[in-house]
Amino acid sequence: QKEVEQDPGPLSVPEGAIVSLNCTYSNSAFQYFMWYRQYSRKGPELLMYTYSSGNKEDGRFTAQVDKSSKYISLFIRDSQPSDSATYLCAMSAGFNKFYFGSGTKLNVKP
Amino acid sequence: DAGITQSPRYKITETGRQVTLMCHQTWSHSYMFWYRQDLGHGLRLIYYSAAADITDKGEVPDGYVVSRSKTENFPLTLESATRSQTSVYFCASGKTSHEQFFGPGTRLTVL
Repeated sequence: QKEVEQDPGPLSVPEGAIVSLNCTYSNSAFQYFMWYRQYSRKGPELLMYTYSSGNKEDGRFTAQVDKSSKYISLFIRDSQPSDSATYLCAMSAGFNKFYFGSGTKLNVKP
Repeated sequence: DAGITQSPRYKITETGRQVTLMCHQTWSHSYMFWYRQDLGHGLRLIYYSAAADITDKGEVPDGYVVSRSKTENFPLTLESATRSQTSVYFCASGKTSHEQFFGPGTRLTVL
C-alpha cells in the first residue's frame, strides 16, 4: 500500500470553476502537508503547506487537512487556464520521511 | 542569479558507468534533498541533508551516494548506473524541511 494516494486524473474544468484536488494517506505520523504545482518538464513549485489539521488560505487557493479521516484537499477558486498543471500533494513525518502523491493533472479550458 | 540549479540537464550513459549529478543553491538553505520522479511512482526521496556534512537516507537510497562538504552544493553519484535508474532527478533546498524549492531537474537515461 502506498503511503499517499492521489487520483491521477486528468481533471478537466471550464475557466472560472472551483477545483477540488484530494489525497488520502495511511500514516498517522504525518504532520506537515504540502501542495506543489508542476508544469510540464519543470520542477515542482511549492504552493502552500499546513501543519497538522485545519485550513489555510492563500489567494485563490485553500488547503484543508482532516487528520481524523487521513484526507487532505486543495481548492482552487476562479480557476484560470494558467492553473493547468499537475498538482502534487506531499506529506512529512520527519526529515527523511517525505512522501509525494503521484499527482493529479488539471486542465482548465478557456 | 539566486536560485537552485542542476547540471547537466540531460545525460545519457551506459550501464556500469559512474555518473554524478550536480546541485547548487545560492540561498544558503540548510536543507537539501534529492528525488527521482518516475511515472506511476511520483517523487521519491533518495537522500537528504540537514546541513553541511550531515546526510541521511530517504526512501530509495540503494545505488546512490551523496556528499555535502559545502552548504551550497549537494552532488548525487550513481556509482554503477543501471537501467532502472533511468529517471528525472530533482534537487531541492529549503530553510525548513517542509518548504522545499526545486531545481529544474536532470533527465538521465541509462542504456
